[in-house]
Amino acid sequence: NAGVMQNPRHLVRRRGQEARLRCSPMKGHSHVYWYRQLPEEGLKFMVYLQKENIIDESGMPKERFSAEFPKEGPSILRIQQVVRGDSAAYFCASSTDSTGELFFGEGSRLTVL
Amino acid sequence: AQRVTQPEKLLSVFKGAPVELKCNYSYSGSPELFWYVQYSRQRLQLLLRHISRESIKGFTADLNKGETSFHLKKPFAQEEDSAMYYCALKGGGSYIPTFGRGTSLIVHP
Repeated sequence: NAGVMQNPRHLVRRRGQEARLRCSPMKGHSHVYWYRQLPEEGLKFMVYLQKENIIDESGMPKERFSAEFPKEGPSILRIQQVVRGDSAAYFCASSTDSTGELFFGEGSRLTVL
Repeated sequence: AQRVTQPEKLLSVFKGAPVELKCNYSYSGSPELFWYVQYSRQRLQLLLRHISRESIKGFTADLNKGETSFHLKKPFAQEEDSAMYYCALKGGGSYIPTFGRGTSLIVHP
């Protein structure tokens, strides 16, 4: 099992562009979580998804951010019209169920110029 | 609301010294508590969870509901323990673990 795979590992965007971050959960995992880590801060929850459903998006900014986890393919975190404040490390984690042990990817580091 | 506080951003000790990484939480119900660790150039991974009541790599953590704490302890630190440690809480009925900001542990030779 290759573990949770995130790509790209590093992404550079100019202000106003779109950023798409992908997460392939571990085999057999149907629960996906996205967290954001800003400099000098901990992991902040963004969104929790199961296949084809957003279960909890209470941590997502109301505008410009969206997430999906289609029936086939990876989970996508999409940030439209990026701003400098979006620069952060974005971590994806997956689990088999909601019991709490998360398996993390290596993160995607977004830099907005 | 769930909240996790790790008061120390950095903890620096010498090899062989005892280590205690502090974690306090705020939650009105019965929480599940976890410690995750991130070693250099590795991904974040689960170290231990309170319901398991086990010792992993010499680390233990006891849930103290009276003090709302879940401190991580090890009697004799090793250099390979140097890492970033995150305390996390999951409230009953919630699917979402809440993480503290992390404590960087540095163990000097």
